[in-house]
Amino acid sequence: AQSVTQLDSHVSVSEGTPVLLRCNYSSSYSPSLFWYVQHPNKGLQLLLKYTSAATLVKGINGFEAEFKKSETSFHLTKPSAHMSDAAEYFCVVSDLYTGRRALTFGSGTRLQVQP
Amino acid sequence: ETGVTQSPTHLIKTRGQQVTLRCSSQSGHNTVSWYQQALGQGPQFIFQYYREEENGRGNFPPRFSGLQFPNYSSELNVNALELDDSALYLCASSFPQGASTDTQYFGPGTRLTVL
Repeated sequence: AQSVTQLDSHVSVSEGTPVLLRCNYSSSYSPSLFWYVQHPNKGLQLLLKYTSAATLVKGINGFEAEFKKSETSFHLTKPSAHMSDAAEYFCVVSDLYTGRRALTFGSGTRLQVQP
Repeated sequence: ETGVTQSPTHLIKTRGQQVTLRCSSQSGHNTVSWYQQALGQGPQFIFQYYREEENGRGNFPPRFSGLQFPNYSSELNVNALELDDSALYLCASSFPQGASTDTQYFGPGTRLTVL
């Protein structure tokens, strides 16, 4: 079975400072990992995905994440936060263990960006 | 290219009623997945349809049912509504590429309130 743990429910940073959102995963099979962002009253937008091609994955809007198999982690980072980054972020895992491609979401991390 | 669309945007029903939610997949996508997102939580997988057949189901009771049509659009039906069914219902479309790498693209969701 697959699962995701987002280690922080809320993260608050100042504009222009680095962002770190932490995620650990569990998967019985070779996983794909994703980060999605959800702005208030909006749907989910894909930030980036890991599919075993490269451990450091670059996404949209300056975000990147590093897959560390030994630590079963997939933390999301950004060098400099912008006010528009304030949103809910979900770490997501997918595998083919049961033959389907369902996504398993973490509980989310709410990012606040202070001016 | 048209993205994933859902209708209606908002819906209010009373306990015991039935509801149908609709989703149009992104052009070229033959797979549709449905998720339930309760307030303050991450989305939970309901089921997935691939070429008009159910291709996996999460931990939801049989009163949650679905359909996929030849044009790959989809419906989610919920019978005997309960108060706990109040949530944002998200539809996602994708095109399987033979590995756990296909990306799911989400619609804006339907907000269901059960009174």
